[in-house]
Amino acid sequence: AQTVTQSQPEMSVQEAETVTLSCTYDTSESDYYLFWYKQPPSRQMILVIRQEAYKQQNATENRFSVNFQKAAKSFSLKISDSQLGDAAMYFCAYRSNDMRFGAGTRLTVKP
Amino acid sequence: DVKVTQSSRYLVKRTGEKVFLECVQDMDHENMFWYRQDPGLGLRLIYFSYDVKMKEKGDIPEGYSVSREKKERFSLILESASTNQTSMYLCASSSQRTGAPSGEKLFFGSGTQLSVL
Repeated sequence: AQTVTQSQPEMSVQEAETVTLSCTYDTSESDYYLFWYKQPPSRQMILVIRQEAYKQQNATENRFSVNFQKAAKSFSLKISDSQLGDAAMYFCAYRSNDMRFGAGTRLTVKP
Repeated sequence: DVKVTQSSRYLVKRTGEKVFLECVQDMDHENMFWYRQDPGLGLRLIYFSYDVKMKEKGDIPEGYSVSREKKERFSLILESASTNQTSMYLCASSSQRTGAPSGEKLFFGSGTQLSVL
């Protein structure tokens, strides 16, 4: 089965600074999708960004971008110009048929 | 907007009780999922259903069963609740593109925090 690993249980960033959250995964498949979800204290899961494995170009959504390294099976999330509202749990996820998640990284944003 | 509704936000049950967690989606999605979320472990897949009356085991199906008699409803059943099933349970749904793999995002409910005493 596919596994997703987030090695940083907690991260902290100063407001307006940049932070990178790490994610690696293990799979033998060549075609799949990768996601980053955000979970604020409300518990609602919110999609941040999605990457198709067959696309070499890294996905970008406003202040959020990814660094997708297919050969290394790495999928990190970069948050630029961090805002207080970015504080949340962030989950990396892998999907081919079902969806598997990592253990999460709790991001704190300091004013 | 897609809506995924979980019947209870908080639930307290006793050991040995049979527990039903209900999930309903209003977007005619083929795929539905049940996860449990625990600190330090993230979301772990319990069961997945890709169509009515179809189900697949996830990573931790022991102690759970599911029912999908109608497309919009996916129920998680704890046959005999135990204290180690105290957790937050999240339901999700997605559409299914023709063929695999599916890159569709999951839409989540707000979760049910279950406490088994």
